[in-house]
Amino acid sequence: AQRVTQPEKLLSVFKGAPVELKCNYSYSGSPELFWYVQYSRQRLQLLLRHISRESIKGFTADLNKGETSFHLKKPFAQEEDSAMYYCALRTGGSRLTFGEGTQLTVNP
Amino acid sequence: NAGVTQTPKFQVLKTGQSMTLQCAQDMNHEYMSWYRQDPGMGLRLIHYSVGAGITDQGEVPNGYNVSRSTTEDFPLRLLSAAPSQTSVYFCAIGQGANYGYTFGSGTRLTVV
Repeated sequence: AQRVTQPEKLLSVFKGAPVELKCNYSYSGSPELFWYVQYSRQRLQLLLRHISRESIKGFTADLNKGETSFHLKKPFAQEEDSAMYYCALRTGGSRLTFGEGTQLTVNP
Repeated sequence: NAGVTQTPKFQVLKTGQSMTLQCAQDMNHEYMSWYRQDPGMGLRLIHYSVGAGITDQGEVPNGYNVSRSTTEDFPLRLLSAAPSQTSVYFCAIGQGANYGYTFGSGTRLTVV
């Protein structure tokens, strides 16, 4: 079955601390994964694609096929990183399956 | 270039009423889709389209209809609104899987 799991619904860290948002997936094919971010009452926007191996706003994510994970990391969290983060898996054609989301709060 | 435009932004319906949520794009993307966002459940795919004249069901299609007569528009119709359809609805478009999606700003629907 195709599934994306984000085990933490809520995550709270202090400014300057490292942050890791977990994402696990199950998929029989070759996975293509994404991270999306939604700031308060705004539209979702693409943050990262694993295929491009980029770093956006200090965030990185590495695909670990052995552990079927695509965790999002940032070494020093900022208050403006507070948002809802969604992990997504391409599950056929252009279809994306999203996880349940993790609400990140960065405290001053 | 507006990208993806959703209307209305807010709507309150009574149970049993019908309505259409509009999604329009000016990016000439073939792929368009509708998701609903509910707390603790993430985004769930309702319907999608890979081009004009082609639509298909997602995970939660019941109670919703779509059509795609043009590349630009992909309306979502609620046939007989139910309280369980209270949600935030997002339209998302894409030009190819590797590029990710562009989302609309959402429609917040309340069914009473």
